[in-house]
Amino acid sequence: DQQVKQNSPSLSVQEGRISILNCDYTNSMFDYFLWYKKYPAEGPTFLISISSIKDKNEDGRFTVFLNKSAKHLSLHIVPSQPGDSAVYFCAASMTDSWGKFQFGAGTQVVVTP
Amino acid sequence: DTAVSQTPKYLVTQMGNDKSIKCEQNLGHDTMYWYKQDSKKFLKIMFSYNNKELIINETVPNRFSPKSPDKAHLNLHINSLELGDSAVYFCASSRVGQYQETQYFGPGTRLLVL
Repeated sequence: DQQVKQNSPSLSVQEGRISILNCDYTNSMFDYFLWYKKYPAEGPTFLISISSIKDKNEDGRFTVFLNKSAKHLSLHIVPSQPGDSAVYFCAASMTDSWGKFQFGAGTQVVVTP
Repeated sequence: DTAVSQTPKYLVTQMGNDKSIKCEQNLGHDTMYWYKQDSKKFLKIMFSYNNKELIINETVPNRFSPKSPDKAHLNLHINSLELGDSAVYFCASSRVGQYQETQYFGPGTRLLVL
C-alpha cells in the first residue's frame, strides 16, 4: 500500500528555469514532509522539510508548498542549475512514528544547459 | 570523515548463501535504520534501532536479522538469499528516533543474487 506517490518519474528543465516536482499522499495522519535528493551511487541527502502547521517553507533556491486539503506537496527549484540533476524523493512521517518515513518512488530531474 | 558508511558497496552472491552488510555512523546518533530500495525504486524501511534496541520491525522475512553491537553500528545479516532479495540496501541514522528528525543515509549496498 503505497501512501506517498510521485507520479512523474522524470522531468527535464532548462538551466535557469523553474523545476516543479509534485508529490501526493493518501494518509491524512502524515504531518511532516521532507524532500531528499539523490545522486547516482550515493545515498539520499536531506534537502528541505515542512511541518503540517505550515503551507510553505523556503531555503535558498528551494521552496516546498503543502496543500493539506488536497494531500499534495510540491518542490520548486528556482533557478534550476546543472548540479540539481538528481533523483528527488518525497517522504512523509507522522507523530509517534519513531522516524518511520514513507518514501515516494522519486522523480529524476535533468537540467539541460 | 564519512558520516554513514556501509560495507560492502557491491555484493554478488548465489541463491541460498548467507551474507552480511555492515553499517557504521560517526555522527553520535542514537537511532539507525535499514531501508531496501527495490526495482520499483521505492525506499522501504525494514528496521530501526534506538540505542541498540529494536523499535521498528516491518514485515520482513525472518531470514533478515539486524544486529546492533553498539549505537554506532547496525549490521544486517541475510540467510538463505533469494532472487527477490536483489536490491539496494541503505543504512541511515538520526539523532533520535523522532518523526521530525533528519535521517542521514549511507551510500548503499547493491546486492545481486544470482
